[in-house]
Amino acid sequence: EAGVAQSPRYKIIEKRQSVAFWCNPISGHATLYWYQQILGQGPKLLIQFQNNGVVDDSQLPKDRFSAERLKGVDSTLKIQPAKLEDSAVYLCASSFGLTSETQYFGPGTRLLVL
Amino acid sequence: KQEVTQIPAALSVPEGENLVLNCSFTDSAIYNLQWFRQDPGKGLTSLLLIQSSQREQTSGRLNASLDKSSGRSTLYIAASQPGDSATYLCAVSNTGNQFYFGTGTSLTVIP
Repeated sequence: EAGVAQSPRYKIIEKRQSVAFWCNPISGHATLYWYQQILGQGPKLLIQFQNNGVVDDSQLPKDRFSAERLKGVDSTLKIQPAKLEDSAVYLCASSFGLTSETQYFGPGTRLLVL
Repeated sequence: KQEVTQIPAALSVPEGENLVLNCSFTDSAIYNLQWFRQDPGKGLTSLLLIQSSQREQTSGRLNASLDKSSGRSTLYIAASQPGDSATYLCAVSNTGNQFYFGTGTSLTVIP
């Protein structure tokens, strides 16, 4: 079974630039999560989708972050404009159902904002 | 808001030793708790998922326990191996949806 795919793996940008990350979940998984993991911290949920609907985006900085999951499969997370404090690893995860399910994580995208 | 704490932040043990990692959470009304492993530069791998109605889960050399009333979980690793070296993260869900993560315990097993 193929795992969660993410691209790019690394990205370096200057502050105020825009960046986009892509995630392809495990086939058949209805729920998709985007997490932000700052160095030395645990992952923090940014947004959760079930199919193509948003379940929770309470911790997404909506003035600069946006995410979509068109057709309920792939998802993109965008930052516009980026700030220095956005430097982090952005992890995508998926699970089969909405509750009490094991989450499977992708390798992450490491973002450095200069 | 749920807060998750993991102690110690780092642990170094000789190969073959049994060890315990601790996780505590502030809101005992949890839905489930999950232990993950994270290797440098990689994503997270789920190790064990404990539902709120369960007291423990086992997988190979790993055993995770859950005490909701005291807001604690432990991950027991038997006969540690150098390949067990990684960061171990505890995550708690109150609703079955959003997981709140601790900051992790960095484990080094010395050959």
